[in-house]
Amino acid sequence: QQQVKQSPQSLIVQKGGISIINCAYENTAFDYFPWYQQFPGKGPALLIAIRPDVSEKKEGRFTISFNKSAKQFSLHIMDSQPGDSATYFCAASSVRGSTLGRLYFGRGTQLTVWP
Amino acid sequence: DTEVTQTPKHLVMGMTNKKSLKCEQHMGHRAMYWYKQKAKKPPELMFVYSYEKLSINESVPSRFSPECPNSSLLNLHLHALQPEDSALYLCASSARQGTVQSEQYFGPGTRLTVT
Repeated sequence: QQQVKQSPQSLIVQKGGISIINCAYENTAFDYFPWYQQFPGKGPALLIAIRPDVSEKKEGRFTISFNKSAKQFSLHIMDSQPGDSATYFCAASSVRGSTLGRLYFGRGTQLTVWP
Repeated sequence: DTEVTQTPKHLVMGMTNKKSLKCEQHMGHRAMYWYKQKAKKPPELMFVYSYEKLSINESVPSRFSPECPNSSLLNLHLHALQPEDSALYLCASSARQGTVQSEQYFGPGTRLTVT
């Protein structure tokens, strides 16, 4: 059973455009939602993360929007650049219960930004 | 500094070989993780060490044997692997397991090929 559902699987955006990746979860115990960026042959890099006490978090061109009632969160990349071309993973975890902070990953979105 | 280092970067081994992967962090983190990642898939959790003690084993075959000699080092000993074990092996660390300090930082990975 997939704990975090991510869409789309692939995304092509023109340079300067907005890239939007969506994730949804079912487990209401989740209280930490990070996004990772991974380039080919490299490890995932923590990009930005949010906790459910806020509805939005912005860091530079990257913004997480969080909708607790809908159990959805999304990553927006403003002014997308070719250097943003990578695979993006959303994830979720909980400090409570038996999951012990385990990260549950979405299946990933391969973003391509055309110059 | 959020650096996790892994050696070697690449490893080719036969099915009868014994080899080890090494991971190191100097961030004072007390939780360390091994993940396996296949192409175009998210990382899959294998093991978690918390305060140098194994806290999670995701039913990983015994041909993979983890070891945490101290708080900065994590090893993964490999023996009698199968070709399907070929993957990118990622190490990660976090300040604590299952707490609000649960941001996980990944290393660059070891690309393992089993022949």
